[in-house]
Amino acid sequence: GQNIDQPTEMTATEGAIVQINCTYQTSGFNGLFWYQQHAGEAPTFLSYNVLDGLEEKGRFSSFLSRSKGYSYLLLKELQMKDSASYLCAVMDSNYQLIWGAGTKLIIKP
Amino acid sequence: NAGVTQTPKFRVLKTGQSMTLLCAQDMNHEYMYWYRQDPGMGLRLIHYSVGEGTTAKGEVPDGYNVSRLKKQNFLLGLESAAPSQTSVYFCASGLTVDSNQPQHFGDGTRLSIL
Repeated sequence: GQNIDQPTEMTATEGAIVQINCTYQTSGFNGLFWYQQHAGEAPTFLSYNVLDGLEEKGRFSSFLSRSKGYSYLLLKELQMKDSASYLCAVMDSNYQLIWGAGTKLIIKP
Repeated sequence: NAGVTQTPKFRVLKTGQSMTLLCAQDMNHEYMYWYRQDPGMGLRLIHYSVGEGTTAKGEVPDGYNVSRLKKQNFLLGLESAAPSQTSVYFCASGLTVDSNQPQHFGDGTRLSIL
């Protein structure tokens, strides 16, 4: 079966750095997406990786290792508004997204 | 620019009732999707469409039907609602299925079946 694993919840301090991990086992691989979802709102796109390595977008970076079936999302200079759930999703061989359950990130002052 | 619009935002139904959830997108996207999101689980694909007049089953299609009569609209129907269908339903659209094109989501419909 297909499986995406990520921690259920993480806590970090405002101004700090946090790394959210995602491991996957899917039928094929056509890229990995990270989405942010604030409580009661729609998921919004953050980043995309298809090749191994690091993609940087401002305070957010995403890393991929295809051989290890592993990705992480790195958030720097945390702000209170970063409190949200972060969803990892892998596009499989049928070009359908397989979603993790999400990691709820709590930011404390 | 509205993006993806879902109606209604909230609804309470009794077991056995029927209803239709509406999704409209104004981005001229070919691909549209219906997901459900339940606590502790990832988004699960119910049905999807690769273009006007086409529909296909996703991971959890039972109990739902869909139609895509116009490119901009994707309707999700529950013929006989069951408590197990209590969930948050998200519609999404995408330009293509090329890997680097993200899906864009509506704000969701919160549906309770009593």
